[in-house]
Amino acid sequence: DAGVTQSPTHLIKTRGQHVTLRCSPISGHKSVSWYQQVLGQGPQFIFQYYEKEERGRGNFPDRFSARQFPNYSSELNVNALLLGDSALYLCASSLVGTMGELFFGEGSRLTVL
Amino acid sequence: DQQVKQNSPSLSVQEGRISILNCDYTNSMFDYFLWYKKYPAEGPTFLISISSIKDKNEDGRFTVFLNKSAKHLSLHIVPSQPGDSAVYFCAASAATQGGSEKLVFGKGTKLTVNP
Repeated sequence: DAGVTQSPTHLIKTRGQHVTLRCSPISGHKSVSWYQQVLGQGPQFIFQYYEKEERGRGNFPDRFSARQFPNYSSELNVNALLLGDSALYLCASSLVGTMGELFFGEGSRLTVL
Repeated sequence: DQQVKQNSPSLSVQEGRISILNCDYTNSMFDYFLWYKKYPAEGPTFLISISSIKDKNEDGRFTVFLNKSAKHLSLHIVPSQPGDSAVYFCAASAATQGGSEKLVFGKGTKLTVNP
């Protein structure tokens, strides 16, 4: 069975640019969450989507947005990139009601220069 | 404001011995706690969890203990194996989050099990 897949795995952008990260959940999982992991820190919650509806939003500026498609895949968009946005962006899928038992992808490593 | 704290950045243990990883939390609304393991270049993997109505949960070599009055939980690995070497994250969630299953993670503890 395919796990959570994310693309791209690595990317380099410059300040002010825009980035789109993509995630395909495990088949049958309708919930997708996004986390940001900065070096030396634990993952920090950005968004959760379930059935294309936003279920939760973390403490991130409006430059961060996301959406979920009818096939439950998801995109994370970040506008006006800052140096501080350099991080590993993790996507996780789950069956709703499993109390945080998330299945994570390998992440997209974003470097902002 | 760090709601989930892992105060030991690293831990080194001999193969066969017990590994004890600790975690403290400050938010009394948390009612579910999880441990994740992360290898380099991989995403975190769910390991074990515990509900706040319990004080112990065991799964093979892994046991999680919860002390609600002290707002403290620990993960015990017995016996430790070299393949357990990874970064371990403690995470917590609260049921009353408007339907969100947001996890709050600690900074992680890097466990090294020496042969």
